[in-house]
Amino acid sequence: SQTIHQWPATLVQPVGSPLSLECTVEGTSNPNLYWYRQAAGRGLQLLFYSVGIGQISSEVPQNLSASRPQDRQFILSSKKLLLSDSGFYLCAWSHLALPREEKLFFGSGTQLSVL
Amino acid sequence: ELKVEQNPLFLSMQEGKNYTIYCNYSTTSDRLYWYRQDPGKSLESLFVLLSNGAVKQEGRLMASLDTKARLSTLHITAAVHDLSATYFCAVDISGTYKYIFGTGTRLKVLA
Repeated sequence: SQTIHQWPATLVQPVGSPLSLECTVEGTSNPNLYWYRQAAGRGLQLLFYSVGIGQISSEVPQNLSASRPQDRQFILSSKKLLLSDSGFYLCAWSHLALPREEKLFFGSGTQLSVL
Repeated sequence: ELKVEQNPLFLSMQEGKNYTIYCNYSTTSDRLYWYRQDPGKSLESLFVLLSNGAVKQEGRLMASLDTKARLSTLHITAAVHDLSATYFCAVDISGTYKYIFGTGTRLKVLA
């Protein structure tokens, strides 16, 4: 069966510091990968998605970047964090090869607080 | 601009009552999804609706889809406290790999 791992679960970082969040998927190959952000009490905002190694689509211009160095690895980064980067970050995957009930499967999330 | 809107944003209801959450979307979509999120937790898939007129039920929750009206509903029957959570609808945009989520409905069921 497929599983998705996301870490760390909680992160407190000072303004101006770098960020690296990692997500890996097991049990499948060539998944579509996604990063979402959820501000406190708000909905989910699509940040990046990737349909293959090195292929990154950015949805919202901002202080963040994403990379996919391996088929099942997705990394969210920032060189200098802003206060507005605080939020709950969720990694997710989907797969076109699944039957008609293709959907997003989410990781456990990272709660990022920028102080 | 693509919009996925839910109504209401907040819902407080008594146990045993029925209620409906509405999800409107503004673009052509192949599928409509409902997810549940408990506080501080990730999202759990509830339903995937694939075609016009689709209806799915799981326990006290029933979801339906009207693609012509671009409207989905999540109906709660005889609510219980354990249903307290935030419910999101989402659509995937036809011809892309993008999933766009609604604003979420925070449901609180009072004993």
